[in-house]
Amino acid sequence: EAAVTQSPRSKVAVTGGKVTLSCHQTNNHDYMYWYRQDTGHGLRLIHYSYVADSTEKGDIPDGYKASRPSQENFSLILELASLSQTAVYFCASSDAGSNTGQLYFGEGSKLTVL
Amino acid sequence: GQQVKQSSPSLTVQEGGISILNCDYENDMFDYFAWYKKYPDNSPTLLISVRSNVDKREDGRLTVFLNKSGKHFSLHITASQPEDTAVYLCAAGEGQGGSAKLIFGEGTKLTVSS
Repeated sequence: EAAVTQSPRSKVAVTGGKVTLSCHQTNNHDYMYWYRQDTGHGLRLIHYSYVADSTEKGDIPDGYKASRPSQENFSLILELASLSQTAVYFCASSDAGSNTGQLYFGEGSKLTVL
Repeated sequence: GQQVKQSSPSLTVQEGGISILNCDYENDMFDYFAWYKKYPDNSPTLLISVRSNVDKREDGRLTVFLNKSGKHFSLHITASQPEDTAVYLCAAGEGQGGSAKLIFGEGTKLTVSS
């Protein structure tokens, strides 16, 4: 069974503080993604990575950095958290050789910025 | 602008009826189309996906119809059941296998009433 785990599952941060969301996958997948979910916007892609030590900007990268130190781990970093970054964040992985193109999502990390 | 759009934020269907969920996209290069299901406080899971070389794909009670000239695809759920109540997210992307960088729609909340 595919496994993507995120930590923390929930976090309250102060405006201007630094937040790091971590994601770990045991699927042996090459591709990893960070999405945020907001009411009325579905899932929006922030950053993604096709290989360790390399990341790409998604559709809404401003205010976020990403780090892929290994195939298994992908972090999302908010250097200066803002109120507008309150959301649920989902990490996902996918297999380059998959015919279905299926994304396997983590459980989500609920971030509240006060 | 929104590259993948679900114009109906919500839909209510009687138990046993057919649920029809719609999705429009803008990018001619998209060649992979998918529907994900999401329960509250859970992560999205893949329901069904198609490549652009087919117009229709069936899987049990689920059927995806793809209209490439109209840049539109839909999900039909026959014999709808209360457990089908969830948010349905359409997604589209370009690429092979797991490399399709998926763009999601805003989601349609389906309620199946008994």
